[in-house]
Amino acid sequence: EAGVAQSPRYKIIEKRQSVAFWCNPISGHATLYWYQQILGQGPKLLIQFQNNGVVDDSQLPKDRFSAERLKGVDSTLKIQPAKLEDSAVYLCASRVGETQYFGPGTRLLVL
Amino acid sequence: GESVGLHLPTLSVQEGDNSIINCAYSNSASDYFIWYKQESGKGPQFIIDIRSNMDKRQGQRVTVLLNKTVKHLSLQIAATQPGDSAVYFCAENSGGSNYKLTFGKGTLLTVNP
Repeated sequence: EAGVAQSPRYKIIEKRQSVAFWCNPISGHATLYWYQQILGQGPKLLIQFQNNGVVDDSQLPKDRFSAERLKGVDSTLKIQPAKLEDSAVYLCASRVGETQYFGPGTRLLVL
Repeated sequence: GESVGLHLPTLSVQEGDNSIINCAYSNSASDYFIWYKQESGKGPQFIIDIRSNMDKRQGQRVTVLLNKTVKHLSLQIAATQPGDSAVYFCAENSGGSNYKLTFGKGTLLTVNP
């Protein structure tokens, strides 16, 4: 079974630019999560989708971050405009039953 | 809330020894707990989980213990191998049926050959 796919793996941008990350969950997983992991810390939930609907986006900085999962499969997370403190790894996870399975993440560096 | 910092707790063991990694969780209403292993440059990998109605669960070379009285989890790894070197995170489900996970700060395990 293929795992969670994410792209790109690395991205370097300048502050105030925009960036987008893509996630393809494990086939059949209805629930999808985006996390932000700052160096030295555990992942922090940004947004949770159930199919194409948002379940929880309470920790998403909505002035600059947006996410969508239009067809209930792939998802995109966007940052516009980026700030220096957005430098982090952005992880996507999908869930079946109780267990969340993570992708390899996208490492973002904002200069 | 959790303290935030760049310096992870660390544990260094010799190959073949047993390792014990500890975690304090924050929400007494959490009903499900997971241990993840994260190697450098990779996403977290599921190791073992436990529900709040249990106090111990065993897997292959790993055991998780849950003490709800003091809100404490531990992960025991038997006969630790160099491939076990990674950062280990505990996570608690505080979102009920939504399975919203809150992660701890992580522990860096280094296994010396």
